[in-house]
Amino acid sequence: AQSVTQPDIHITVSEGASLELRCNYSYGATPYLFWYVQSPGQGLQLLLKYFSGDTLVQGIKGFEAEFKRSQSSFNLRKPSVHWSDAAEYFCAVGAPFSNQFYFGTGTSLTVIP
Amino acid sequence: GAVVSQHPSWVICKSGTSVKIECRSLDFQATTMFWYRQFPKQSLMLMATSNEGSKATYEQGVEKDKFLINHASLTLSTLTVTSAHPEDSSFYICSARARDRAGTEAFFGQGTRLTVV
Repeated sequence: AQSVTQPDIHITVSEGASLELRCNYSYGATPYLFWYVQSPGQGLQLLLKYFSGDTLVQGIKGFEAEFKRSQSSFNLRKPSVHWSDAAEYFCAVGAPFSNQFYFGTGTSLTVIP
Repeated sequence: GAVVSQHPSWVICKSGTSVKIECRSLDFQATTMFWYRQFPKQSLMLMATSNEGSKATYEQGVEKDKFLINHASLTLSTLTVTSAHPEDSSFYICSARARDRAGTEAFFGQGTRLTVV
């Protein structure tokens, strides 16, 4: 069965510090992988996606993620966090030519001055 | 990028009334639209998948008679919460996948905050 696990429910980092949000997935084939960000009361904004090719993908707002097939992971990273990055982050997996998305439970990011 | 517009952004209704939420793809044709429900501090729960011109496919546990979904055109899907009750209060989000682009990302609306009083 397909599933997405985000082990960290909540993370607090200092502004300027580096960030890594973890995402592990369970899927029977090569999945499409996504990271979305949600600000309070807002919809979801796509940060980045991985379909194929280079396993290190660059996204918006200075985020990047690395697909590691051997670890079934797709961790999100940012070298220097800004206060405006405080939000909820969701990892999602989708199947090629399928309409189904599976979301993780999300990681809430707090940024302290 | 593609834009999905959801309306209204928030709505308050009385218990027992019905509420309609619209989801529009503004600059692309969406063969498939999805409706999600999100409880506070939780992830998105897929309620149903809506294909243009056909009946929606509901996830297990979702009452199809309570959450009516219509996808009459390639740019519009609606979710009607019928006979709303306070427990239906939630954040509802739609997303749409572009036609002939299955496997690519879905574009999300900004969500609708429903409060039933």
